[in-house]
Amino acid sequence: QGQLVESGGGLVKPGGSLRLSCAASGFSFSDYYMNWIRQAPGKGLEWLSYISSNSNSPEIKYADSVRGRFTISRDNAKNSVSLQLSSLRTEDTAVYFCASGYLWFDPWGQGTQVIVSS
Amino acid sequence: QSALTQPASVSGSPGQSITISCTGTNSDIGGYNSVSWYQQHPGKAPRVMIYDVTNRPSGVSNRFSGSKSGNTASLTISGLQAEDEADYYCSSYTSSTALLLFGGGTRLTVL
Repeated sequence: QGQLVESGGGLVKPGGSLRLSCAASGFSFSDYYMNWIRQAPGKGLEWLSYISSNSNSPEIKYADSVRGRFTISRDNAKNSVSLQLSSLRTEDTAVYFCASGYLWFDPWGQGTQVIVSS
Repeated sequence: QSALTQPASVSGSPGQSITISCTGTNSDIGGYNSVSWYQQHPGKAPRVMIYDVTNRPSGVSNRFSGSKSGNTASLTISGLQAEDEADYYCSSYTSSTALLLFGGGTRLTVL
């Protein structure tokens, strides 16, 4: 049974940066697309980004709301995927989930909270 | 791009069946068979219940089923149980730059 564990969330000021990490275990990590999805307080889910399984030249996609500010990367040797958050805005406040899969997601991590506030 | 449209809430009694709709456009639900459904209990991570419109992952009860007609996808839960009370989200691939859209979510209450 695959498991994902996120870390790196916290409180950051507007305009600041943060790096989220997601550690995978229990499945063949390098074979799977990985995604970041967020959920603002009391709101629905928003897909943010994916990175393909190709370690040499991975395909990367971003949602319009984060393109140019967030950067996804993966390290297949360490079974991990990261999301670098920059130029953060108050509206980026959310729980950030990593999830495995292409167009449908399983498993999901438990999420890490990011709060952007002055 | 706007999220897919779901009813804010639905309810049903134990043992009954309910259906949650998810409406999109020809650029997403109507054009592709990449609709999935997620269940989320409060404070927990989402769990996939249906993928590719009708497929159930291993371990998901056969009380959950999915379908699609035109630009609208549906999730049906039969034999409602108290543990089914949760938020449900649909998602679909989209040909727009958004790539993947979620619905706004539906709160299921088991009376």
